[in-house]
Amino acid sequence: QKEVEQNSGPLSVPEGAIASLNCTYSDRVSQSFFWYRQYSGKSPELIMSIYSNGDKEDGRFTAQLNKASQYVSLLIRDSQPSDSATYLCAVNVFKGGGADGLTFGKGTHLIIQP
Amino acid sequence: EPEVTQTPSHQVTQMGQEVILRCVPISNHLYFYWYRQILGQKVEFLVSFYNNEISEKSEIFDDQFSVERPDGSNFTLKIRSTKLEDSAMYFCASRGQGSYEQYFGPGTRLTVT
Repeated sequence: QKEVEQNSGPLSVPEGAIASLNCTYSDRVSQSFFWYRQYSGKSPELIMSIYSNGDKEDGRFTAQLNKASQYVSLLIRDSQPSDSATYLCAVNVFKGGGADGLTFGKGTHLIIQP
Repeated sequence: EPEVTQTPSHQVTQMGQEVILRCVPISNHLYFYWYRQILGQKVEFLVSFYNNEISEKSEIFDDQFSVERPDGSNFTLKIRSTKLEDSAMYFCASRGQGSYEQYFGPGTRLTVT
């Protein structure tokens, strides 16, 4: 049974600071890791993907992956009030032929305080 | 920028009725997915579809559910006999060849009364 764990929060961060979101997963064969942002009542919006150990940066976002520790994180630099949302961690195992449904965590509710 | 679209945005139905939720994936994408999210809960995988057949399905996707790609653009999810517990947001997603990134549509809110 694949499990993805996130602290539900809320995580409150002052505007301009770094927000750090964490996720652990149980299935050691997981290969693909994603961060989605979900505003209330809206659909998940892809923020970052990461597939190999280390850091991946895209603008104000940095994803970090440590497969040995089964840990993936998302850093948001220079946090803005518009970053206030629920951040979903998702993982999958690519088995070929499109058999790669995502397993999601419950999400971390992030609040950026102006 | 290409987007996944879904119709209707909100569907209200009575218990026991059949519903069809419609999705138009991004045009050059080949892999299609349905997920659901019950209010206040996590997003759950239902089914993946590639090359006109189901690739993978979860335990949720029982005989009451079916998927179809009736033409070159639409991808549908049918629930044959809805139950109260089917009330949820249903999201369609798609991805392209050579990428593992799945892009979600805006969702259909299904309310079963």
